[in-house]
Amino acid sequence: DGGITQSPKYLFRKEGQNVTLSCEQNLNHDAMYWYRQDPGQGLRLIYYSQIVNDFQKGDIAEGYSVSREKKESFPLTVTSAQKNPTAFYLCASSIFEWGTEEKLFFGSGTQLSVL
Amino acid sequence: DQQVKQNSPSLSVQEGRISILNCDYTNSMFDYFLWYKKYPAEGPTFLISISSIKDKNEDGRFTVFLNKSAKHLSLHIVPSQPGDSAVYFCAAIMHFQGAQKLVFGQGTRLTINP
Repeated sequence: DGGITQSPKYLFRKEGQNVTLSCEQNLNHDAMYWYRQDPGQGLRLIYYSQIVNDFQKGDIAEGYSVSREKKESFPLTVTSAQKNPTAFYLCASSIFEWGTEEKLFFGSGTQLSVL
Repeated sequence: DQQVKQNSPSLSVQEGRISILNCDYTNSMFDYFLWYKKYPAEGPTFLISISSIKDKNEDGRFTVFLNKSAKHLSLHIVPSQPGDSAVYFCAAIMHFQGAQKLVFGQGTRLTINP
């Protein structure tokens, strides 16, 4: 089955610690995204990548870093600089076609909490 | 700057009746609008979309209406079923200066009562 796999489902971070959230897709999609969901708020874009070895900051990139070394993988690192990391993190991918209704396919999410 | 707004955080509807979820936007440059459905602890799934050149799109029990002059769109679900209980996100896409941006609303939690 094609899809997006996020791991782990739950993650706990200690103060001053960096943690990495995994996202893998086998849909052969070019574009991948990281969103953050907080209670009562919509999905906010952290980083996105439209092609391997290239990525762009979204609306709330501070305190986060990403890499895109393979088409299938787009890991997100939550650094110690992110002061309010507790949130539900969603990874998504899409067939990037300029000018179209870009439908995103989402993973099942990772809930990150601070100890 | 919330460009896409869903002003009702929650909505409760009786099974079999019509559910109407609303979404307002501020930027006239949006050219596609989408609705996503999300169950707890899961990622959102695409439901239905509409181009800005249309005013209605229908798919089974789901219909989306777009009123460009009012910068308003709505999702109608009829008849509502218990499995429709979820959070619904409105999203809008704009293309400008070589960039493509997708903006989400805050979501509306729909509860279908038996």
